[in-house]
Amino acid sequence: GAGVSQTPSNKVTEKGKYVELRCDPISGHTALYWYRQSLGQGPEFLIYFQGTGAADDSGLPNDRFFAVRPEGSVSTLKIQRTERGDSAVYLCASSLGRTGGEQYFGPGTRLTVT
Amino acid sequence: AQSVAQPEDQVNVAEGNPLTVKCTYSVSGNPYLFWYVQYPNRGLQFLLKYITGDNLVKGSYGFEAEFNKSQTSFHLKKPSALVSDSALYFCAVRDVRSGNTGKLIFGQGTTLQVKP
Repeated sequence: GAGVSQTPSNKVTEKGKYVELRCDPISGHTALYWYRQSLGQGPEFLIYFQGTGAADDSGLPNDRFFAVRPEGSVSTLKIQRTERGDSAVYLCASSLGRTGGEQYFGPGTRLTVT
Repeated sequence: AQSVAQPEDQVNVAEGNPLTVKCTYSVSGNPYLFWYVQYPNRGLQFLLKYITGDNLVKGSYGFEAEFNKSQTSFHLKKPSALVSDSALYFCAVRDVRSGNTGKLIFGQGTTLQVKP
């Protein structure tokens, strides 16, 4: 079946601009996660959705970052007033939501802020 | 604090030889441990996990991992390496402080280079 998809695959934007990154999880997966991966590092947790609600947003670095999942499927990560330090690969993952269940990752969106 | 350490930035092995990629963890309570592999310009692929039960876990592509509670380790192994195994490998632990959210804490990653 189809895996997790993310669009766009690459995004280049100017400092100060607003960006939206989209994640389409595996059908039927109730849990959705966003992670950020900087060069040479492991992924770092940003936010977790169970259904439509953000159950844990403790990883969002500041209030410029926001994410939604209005219908419990597709999610959008929104970044306002982008900064050069926001440049990274943003990864989305989904799972069935069971404790201990493995997460399935999308290919990521590479964000470059110039 | 909850953490994962991968002490080797890079592991080099010859094709056909056994490989080990090391991982140690620090977590309160019973750990849920995972290994993922990342190929260039692709997302992370799940390899295997340890939740409970047998300490030797078998996963995809012939990989296995051994959970050792006394050494707080979860090393990834394969009896005979292939050139196609060359990739970036991540160990991860579920953050038990967050209840049942399932969010993962990842290590820094280890690059595996298998030479013909």
